[in-house]
Amino acid sequence: GESVGLHLPTLSVQEGDNSIINCAYSNSASDYFIWYKQESGKGPQFIIDIRSNMDKRQGQRVTVLLNKTVKHLSLQIAATQPGDSAVYFCAEITPGTYKYIFGTGTRLKVLA
Amino acid sequence: DVKVTQSSRYLVKRTGEKVFLECVQDMDHENMFWYRQDPGLGLRLIYFSYDVKMKEKGDIPEGYSVSREKKERFSLILESASTNQTSMYLCASRIDRINTEAFFGQGTRLTVV
Repeated sequence: GESVGLHLPTLSVQEGDNSIINCAYSNSASDYFIWYKQESGKGPQFIIDIRSNMDKRQGQRVTVLLNKTVKHLSLQIAATQPGDSAVYFCAEITPGTYKYIFGTGTRLKVLA
Repeated sequence: DVKVTQSSRYLVKRTGEKVFLECVQDMDHENMFWYRQDPGLGLRLIYFSYDVKMKEKGDIPEGYSVSREKKERFSLILESASTNQTSMYLCASRIDRINTEAFFGQGTRLTVV
């Protein structure tokens, strides 16, 4: 079936560097995408979303890029901080369904 | 801020027990979800409720049931707990069927012994 996947299970970055977390989605009909952050022992926390009529959206220190041509989603975190250490995963929704399809996640480790 | 509260952070139950996991949201959301999260498997949908007393099976409903008698509360019931139901359980809510983000509770880590 259709699924959302992540290329890298673990990403280590130096504090202050920028982080890029990637996600590939397989359903070209999906029209809404979300990035979540999950810290150890906690529930997922919404970070940012993007709809398919956009290719870029910016938040506070985070940017999501959507490339519909290659069905690729990325999350960029500027000036990565120790508090950014967490598992990040993406989700998609296809029109006509209520279900989110979640990826398994990428662990971001911030090195001091 | 939306608040989704799960009644327990940690639970330990015995095999065969009936287990109730409670979830309450305070933002008048129509849609509520129950997921389980296991290492390497990501989030898997157990049940979805789109309104009071309305429910739909998710991807892995076997061994579970749900109840939504009031809009703010969505309960997950393990009829007879088994060790393979040891997991992190996450409740989420969303305003309605229009594509918006889901807000999650803090999770309940259930261990069945």
